[in-house]
Amino acid sequence: GQNIDQPTEMTATEGAIVQINCTYQTSGFNGLFWYQQHAGEAPTFLSYNVLDGLEEKGRFSSFLSRSKGYSYLLLKELQMKDSASYLCASMDSNYQLIWGAGTKLIIKP
Amino acid sequence: GAVVSQHPSRVICKSGTSVKIECRSLDFQATTMFWYRQFPKQSLMLMATSNEGSKATYEQGVEKDKFLINHASLTLSTLTVTSAHPEDSSFYICSAKGGSGGPGETQYFGPGTRLLVL
Repeated sequence: GQNIDQPTEMTATEGAIVQINCTYQTSGFNGLFWYQQHAGEAPTFLSYNVLDGLEEKGRFSSFLSRSKGYSYLLLKELQMKDSASYLCASMDSNYQLIWGAGTKLIIKP
Repeated sequence: GAVVSQHPSRVICKSGTSVKIECRSLDFQATTMFWYRQFPKQSLMLMATSNEGSKATYEQGVEKDKFLINHASLTLSTLTVTSAHPEDSSFYICSAKGGSGGPGETQYFGPGTRLLVL
């Protein structure tokens, strides 16, 4: 079957670094997406990885290991506005996104 | 990034009535649009995938006669919740992507429509 696993909730301190992990098992693989979703709002696109390695985009970076079925989203210099849910989604062989349940990130001052 | 709009953003209706939600891609042509539903504190649940000019493909367990989807143009898809009941109250979100749907085709989400059925 298809499955995406990510932690339900994480807590971090303002200014610190946090890594949100995601493991996936999908029928075929056409890339791994990360989205940010603030409470009561729709998701917004953060990153896409299809090759192994780290993609850096400002304070956010995303890593992929295809052989391990593993990705992480790294957030640096955390700000209060980063408090949100972070959704991991794998694109399967039919180009459909298989969504994780999301990781709620709580930032404390 | 691409912009997707949704209308209305919020709707309250009586049980038994029908509600139409519009999803528009504002600055690109969306060959494929997706409709999701999200209950509080739960993950996105894909309801259906629609391609312009063809019938929508519904996910297992989603009633096609209750959730009518029309993708009449490359910039507009509509979801009609027919004979809505309180259990249909949810956050409905559309997303759109252009191109051939190949690897790396990012889905861009509309702002969502919060439906409350009394």
